[in-house]
Formats: sequence, C-alpha cells, structure tokens
Amino acid sequence: NAGVTQTPKFQVLKTGQSMTLQCAQDMNHEYMSWYRQDPGMGLRLIHYSVGAGITDQGEVPNGYNVSRSTTEDFPLRLLSAAPSQTSVYFCASSYASASKTIQMNTEAFFGQGTRLTVV
Amino acid sequence: GENVEQHPSTLSVQEGDSAVIKCTYSDSASNYFPWYKQELGKRPQLIIDIRSNVGEKKDQRIAVTLNKTAKHFSLHITETQPEDSAVYFCAASKGTGRRALTFGSGTRLQVQP
Repeated sequence: NAGVTQTPKFQVLKTGQSMTLQCAQDMNHEYMSWYRQDPGMGLRLIHYSVGAGITDQGEVPNGYNVSRSTTEDFPLRLLSAAPSQTSVYFCASSYASASKTIQMNTEAFFGQGTRLTVV
Repeated sequence: GENVEQHPSTLSVQEGDSAVIKCTYSDSASNYFPWYKQELGKRPQLIIDIRSNVGEKKDQRIAVTLNKTAKHFSLHITETQPEDSAVYFCAASKGTGRRALTFGSGTRLQVQP
C-alpha cells in the first residue's frame, strides 16, 4: 500500500508558467483535498472532492483548478503561476464513517508534500 | 464556513512537564476533531482524534477533551519528551457539506531537555 503519493517533491516555476501537481491514493477513499501551507498560517484548503466527478472550492481557490475523473487521482493545476503561490502543497485523502444516524469524517492521510517556488 | 482558532502559537516546556494546546471552532455541525503532529520537512500525521459523541479520549501520554457546548477542544501531553518537539495542528470537520478538514494555525512545541 503506497497510501497518498504526490509528485513532484520540488518544483521551481517562472511567473506565468502552468503546471499540474499530481496526487494519487490507493486506499479507495471518497474524499480528497488539496491544502497549501504557509509559515504561521497552518494548512489552508484550496479545493476538495467528495467523490469522482464532484469537486468544490475551499478557502483559497483562486488561481487553481482541479478535476476528479477517478477515485484514485486528484490533480491540482496552476493556470498561470504567481509568486504568491510559492508554498508547500499537500494532498490528503480520507473516507466517511457512516453510522445509522450520522456521517463523520475520518483520519486524513497526507502525501509527502510539494515545495513550489515561483520566481 | 468553519473557523478554527488555536492557542498558543508557541509553547516551551521542560522535559517531563505537561503541555496543553487549546482550539475553538465556530460551526456547531462539526463532529470530528483530529490533532496532527508535523515534524520539520515532513507531512502532518494524526496523533489522536475525537468525535462529537465522546467527551474525552486518551492514548498513553496523549489525551484530547471536547466541550461541545463551548465549542472548544484541547490536546494534553503528559511527561513530555524531546521527541515531542514539533508543530501541532488541531482541525475540525463535519459529515455533510464541506467535509474537508479546517485547520488551526498550529502550535510550535519545544521540549527542553
């Protein structure tokens, strides 16, 4: 079991370039999310998905696109990179634990992160 | 949407002392509250979590308490060790709507030998 795999681990982009951060999980989790981590600001949600074909915006979605064509993959696209997008990016996956009366989230497993620098 | 506030931002303790980190949340529909530990350059990893139908949970030296009425939850680490030094994040999520985790801003814990 590989868990959550993110690629690349490091990337340097020039302003205006586009790129895709890859994320794949092999745990058959319904939920997948992308976060960015900046010093002193914790992890902020960019986009998330509750299943194949379903995506929604998080707190800081501007400048990023996502798609979820399969349960396993959740790529994050930077359309036109800006220095403000310099950050560490984490992908995470989890599943829903459903009882008869209430649905709850469960442990989120994180990828190893991508350190992105935009110059 | 959900807002999670975490205090303190830094915490320094002597080895063997206890450490307490506190978080508050805003959305009364949140029902899952995990705590993550992140070492320098590594990914966040779950250390303990609690669900809204439980008031307290303990795992060896780590415990978490939840007060749903006041909408706050806390992490307690007893008998701290130098290897407990890391950044700790609290988070909250709910089972419907936006189910992704909302994180606090983190607490840098330093355990002095």
